[in-house]
Amino acid sequence: DAGITQSPRHKVTETGTPVTLRCHQTENHRYMYWYRQDPGHGLRLIHYSYGVKDTDKGEVSDGYSVSRSKTEDFLLTLESATSSQTSVYFCAIREPRDRGLDTGELFFGEGSRLTVL
Amino acid sequence: AQTVTQSQPEMSVQEAETVTLSCTYDTSESDYYLFWYKQPPSRQMILVIRQEAYKQQNATENRFSVNFQKAAKSFSLKISDSQLGDAAMYFCAYRTLYNTDKLIFGTGTRLQVFP
Repeated sequence: DAGITQSPRHKVTETGTPVTLRCHQTENHRYMYWYRQDPGHGLRLIHYSYGVKDTDKGEVSDGYSVSRSKTEDFLLTLESATSSQTSVYFCAIREPRDRGLDTGELFFGEGSRLTVL
Repeated sequence: AQTVTQSQPEMSVQEAETVTLSCTYDTSESDYYLFWYKQPPSRQMILVIRQEAYKQQNATENRFSVNFQKAAKSFSLKISDSQLGDAAMYFCAYRTLYNTDKLIFGTGTRLQVFP
């Protein structure tokens, strides 16, 4: 158990409303990621963070923003949700290579299913 | 940019038999990681096996083994003595070791196991 908690696990919302998903880790890992999973696409990277207040965009970042004010929390925000953002969202964490603790793999949370009506 | 291709959307296998899931990738890098992740109906992403590109020896984890062909950019997963609990989505993933260290996934293969 990698100590990653996502909340909420399920959410139904309406088009145009803001939504925030939270990822909380107890591992003190520096790198955190947000992915979305859709049929036929696998998992695609939305945003990632390599430290507090250090974030960058992934391949499908349009319509999403993130924040990381402390090591343990990484928030994903949909400012105005659209039906195309209906998906399952996964948070993941890992250690950076330069700390010598990197095992190579990412550790994933249990996912958050978001439905935008 | 790196890409990962899983050409088998669905596979099926009889319990106790062996099945091989295919994965190919495209990269110009020489050092990287490759992974197979399993996603059962619970949605949890579970690491099955990892392979470092600089290691020539194929990784093995109990009933799971890989056939890593670096020159061909192929990374297949073999499941021996298949069990009902092996039924899941399987994702092949590539991790670059440069720039952002991102993990890039294939589209997945759904494995069904029949008794």
